[in-house]
Order: sequence, then C-alpha cells, then structure tokens
Amino acid sequence: AQKITQTQPGMFVQEKEAVTLDCTYDTSDPSYGLFWYKQPSSGEMIFLIYQGSYDQQNATEGRYSLNFQKARKSANLVISASQLGDSAMYFCAMREDQAGTALIFGKGTTLSVSS
Amino acid sequence: KAGVTQTPRYLIKTRGQQVTLSCSPISGHRSVSWYQQTPGQGLQFLFEYFSETQRNKGNFPGRFSGRQFSNSRSEMNVSTLELGDSALYLCASREVVTDTQYFGPGTRLTVL
Repeated sequence: AQKITQTQPGMFVQEKEAVTLDCTYDTSDPSYGLFWYKQPSSGEMIFLIYQGSYDQQNATEGRYSLNFQKARKSANLVISASQLGDSAMYFCAMREDQAGTALIFGKGTTLSVSS
Repeated sequence: KAGVTQTPRYLIKTRGQQVTLSCSPISGHRSVSWYQQTPGQGLQFLFEYFSETQRNKGNFPGRFSGRQFSNSRSEMNVSTLELGDSALYLCASREVVTDTQYFGPGTRLTVL
C-alpha cells in the first residue's frame, strides 16, 4: 500500500492565486514527521515546511502553510499568492520514528504558474 | 552556511562499470542519506550514515554501497552498473534538532 499519496499529477494556477496541493499518508506509527519539498527542473530538492505528528498547530513558513488534519491523515500544502518561480514539482514526504530517518516520498505534483 | 554539495553533477558510464559519487554535508551535520530518483520508481531511500556508521538501509541490492569519513563527507559506490541504475542520485544532510533533511543538487548518472 502507498504510504504517501499525492493524487494530483498536475495543477495549474495563475499568479497571485492560492493553491492547495493534496497529500494523504498512511502509518500506524504514532510519532512521525511530514515534509514538503520543491524540486525545480534543475533537480535540487528544496525543503519547504515540516509538521510533526504531535504538533498542535499547523506549520507555516512564509507563503507556505501545511493544513494538517491528523484524523483524516492528510497534510496538504497551501501556497498563498503564487509566483512564476513556484512552477516546479512538489513532493510530500513522511518519516516514521520506528523506521529511522528514511523519508518516504509521494509521486509528486507538478505545479504550473502562469501570468 | 554552505549547502550540501555533490560531485560530479553528471556522469556517463557503460554497463558493467562501477561509479563513485561524493557528498559533502552542511557544516556540522553528521548524518548523510542517499536517495535514488527515477521516473518509474520515484524517490527511494538508499542508506543513511551517521558518524561513519551505516544506520539504515533501503531495499537495494548489495551493488550499492556507501561509506562516511570522519569529516562527515560521504561516498556512494555502485558496482557492475546496469541500465536501470540510470537515475538522479540525491544526497541529504540532516539537522538533528529540527530533523530536517537538506538535499544537494544531485548527481545525474546515465548508464549506456
């Protein structure tokens, strides 16, 4: 079974609009972390935001926020006020405490921002 | 602080050869992990080194090996290359306090 599911292969948005990228996860480990990374065409994975399973509040980092719904096992990334430079592949990832530090990645969502 | 560096950035090899990739983590980070990214399999964890010891290993054949030096730099070796080893190999160094992995630019390996 997929541990990280990203159901949107591609998303299209106009500049200055907000966009939500979906991520659902599956784990029986009570302690885990959820991450979002951005991968431009150059290939480098850029860390965006982190949410711990015990964190009470949703994480925010500038224009990025993570909508964490623990009961639904979802960790959606919200990008406010999209910019052309946001066009990239976005990956949701999970680390389970019982599995060490290995990150499990989803298949990614390609975001295209147009002017 | 300088980011994670990986060398070389691009490699072309032929089947049967071996290859060594290098990764220098962010200064002060002692944990280095390696990932393979292919269009078919996506991003997959290879192994993690911490203080020169392999702490975790993914589901890859023994042809994939690694090591870490006392300065935390890490190398990954792939022997007897196969066409399916063509991939982007990403190295990540982990900040223990925040448990966040920061990735390098990757090495793109092409096996002909």
